Amino acid sequence: DAKTTQPTSMDCAEGRAANLPCNHSTISGNEYVYWYRQIHSQGPQYIIHGLKNNETNEMASLIITEDRKSSTLILPHATLRDTAVYYCIVRVVAGTASKLTFGTGTRLQVTL
Amino acid sequence: AAGVIQSPRHLIKEKRETATLKCYPIPRHDTVYWYQQGPGQDPQFLISFYEKMQSDKGSIPDRFSAQQFSDYHSELNMSSLELGDSALYFCASSPRDRGLPWSGYTFGSGTRLTVV
Repeated sequence: DAKTTQPTSMDCAEGRAANLPCNHSTISGNEYVYWYRQIHSQGPQYIIHGLKNNETNEMASLIITEDRKSSTLILPHATLRDTAVYYCIVRVVAGTASKLTFGTGTRLQVTL
Repeated sequence: AAGVIQSPRHLIKEKRETATLKCYPIPRHDTVYWYQQGPGQDPQFLISFYEKMQSDKGSIPDRFSAQQFSDYHSELNMSSLELGDSALYFCASSPRDRGLPWSGYTFGSGTRLTVV
């Protein structure tokens, strides 16, 4: 699976949009971009995933550049409960089980 | 909706003892993954099972073993425990990939193992 690079930490004011970048310059054509987050000591939580088109769900939006070498997770109106470590992971969707490999994510601190 | 159930939630063991962690996947999920997360670290993949067979192996010590049973639940067995084994252990489950995008793994709440 391709490696990803994320900033170590970011701050965001409550109510503002949080934009979390991720570089995955070695991504292959058959690899998807997944975002998970982990709120302190809880199990990681799935947020969103995409291949090449932008995606939106009730939690967030995912913007993937045209060359697919980077992406941005957008939390449109961050709240204090969004404080967590956010992981960007690229993964092949294969015919059998394939693991998620967690790198060093971005620690997002949402403040009042 | 049913989630991934892990037991126990907390476990305290002494050095050189053994421990067994259990994971009950979401119904109809046939794949189970185990992760270890040490203090201040990111989750590290240990091992996975698909249809009761080991499907992938990560940085799992030889002192650890795991299996998946006919009802798809899984157990992680840890022997000769060391202080460094103190960590959060997460289990995740997913349905089988069929070459189609899926919504990802579902993680359990974890088991906190403390070795003293």
